Amino acid sequence: EVQLLESGGGLVPPGGSLRLSCAASGFTFTIYGMGWVRQAPGKGLEWVSAISGSGESTYYADSVKARFTISRDNSKNALYLQMNSLGAEDTAVYYCVHYRDGYNFINNWGQGTLVTVSS
Amino acid sequence: QSVLTQPPSISAAPGQKVTISCSGSGSNIGKNYVSWYQQVPGTAPKLLIYDNNKRPSGIPDRFSGSKSGTSATLGISGLQTGDEADYYCGTWDSSVSAGVFGGGTKVTVL
Repeated sequence: EVQLLESGGGLVPPGGSLRLSCAASGFTFTIYGMGWVRQAPGKGLEWVSAISGSGESTYYADSVKARFTISRDNSKNALYLQMNSLGAEDTAVYYCVHYRDGYNFINNWGQGTLVTVSS
Repeated sequence: QSVLTQPPSISAAPGQKVTISCSGSGSNIGKNYVSWYQQVPGTAPKLLIYDNNKRPSGIPDRFSGSKSGTSATLGISGLQTGDEADYYCGTWDSSVSAGVFGGGTKVTVL
């Protein structure tokens, strides 16, 4: 059974930084692309970032480019999202996601971790 | 404003069929597979349809998907109260190398 467990969310002041982690299990981690999707309170889904199985290729939404960095440690089956220069617009539940067949669809979602940017 | 366009809400009586549209462009839906996700309030989204019209194991055949050109459609037949949820379409946009979602459609069972 695929499990994705996010951690690292919390309250951070505007301009601050936060690092999210996702522990993955139940599948061959190194083969598949992974990513992050967020959902602001009461709003729809927003795609944030994705990374290839090897970690060599990374992709970002324009809204987070140059502020967020996605990475993975295949030896630990772990995915990360380093978030810098956070603003109120980054307040959201962040979901760790597991892709199948390239980036065609998200096969599994974590339960999410809440990031609140506020003073 | 979402890249993919969905109706904000739709409602129907139990047992009826509803269809949810998802409109995009040549660089996203026109070039790539479409997937659909169901999100019950307070929970994480769940994959409903992938590769335009395929259902993962465990998803009933009341749910169907189709794609034509730069638009896609999710169909839910035999509507049940348990189908009340938000539904999102998603795909990859080849012009910007990024994932994209629709704004979501809230389905209400009357």
